[in-house]
Amino acid sequence: QSVLIQPPSASGTPGQRVTVSCSGSNSNIGSHTVNWYQQLTGTAPKLLFSSNNQRPSGVPDRFSGSKSGTSASLAISGLQSDDEADYYCAAWDDSLDAYVFGTGTKVTVL
Amino acid sequence: EVQVVESGGGSVQPGGSLRLSCAASGFTLSLYWMHWVRQAPGEGLVWVSRIKSDGRSIAYADSVKGRFTISRDSANNTLYLQMNSLRAEDTAVYHCARDSLSGLDVWGQGTTVTVSS
Repeated sequence: QSVLIQPPSASGTPGQRVTVSCSGSNSNIGSHTVNWYQQLTGTAPKLLFSSNNQRPSGVPDRFSGSKSGTSASLAISGLQSDDEADYYCAAWDDSLDAYVFGTGTKVTVL
Repeated sequence: EVQVVESGGGSVQPGGSLRLSCAASGFTLSLYWMHWVRQAPGEGLVWVSRIKSDGRSIAYADSVKGRFTISRDSANNTLYLQMNSLRAEDTAVYHCARDSLSGLDVWGQGTTVTVSS
């Protein structure tokens, strides 16, 4: 059972802005960088954004993230059909001495 | 091209063993922290283990502690995951991933492990 909680689903129409939340605790989000991953159906996860404002080359700046206290969020602006995927937050957890992933959010483009 | 390719998956009975390999190319594996992450069918991502670049700092998820061992071979630029006492709940696709210290930035396509009698 994950210690990072995400909503199971989110949706929007093309062009809209969608946000995905990630709720944790002081031992993980409150103390460490939060990373966001995109997983298209049948493919390996892909690093999208880190809360230290690092975005891998090739990732559009439509994807952005923020962190406040023990929560983080991913924003997708200008939603496109290609953005339909599962999104996971992740962070190191000092209490568990483990890298923990969120429960995952399925983003649907209506 | 920077990439990692996993191999070694297969079908095994409960209590059996498998060794997964992750061959890195385009970068020197021993200079990076490396992770194993698994995903059961229809489920989310679950972290399994990490080895730091010093080769000595290792961590495991509680669910695999004492059964799985992560290691690396610098000469062959390869990461390993030795899995013993396998259980049905270990059935998953296993990915290795490179840690850029700003996230896991290089992932392999994964190798499938099925534990069933």
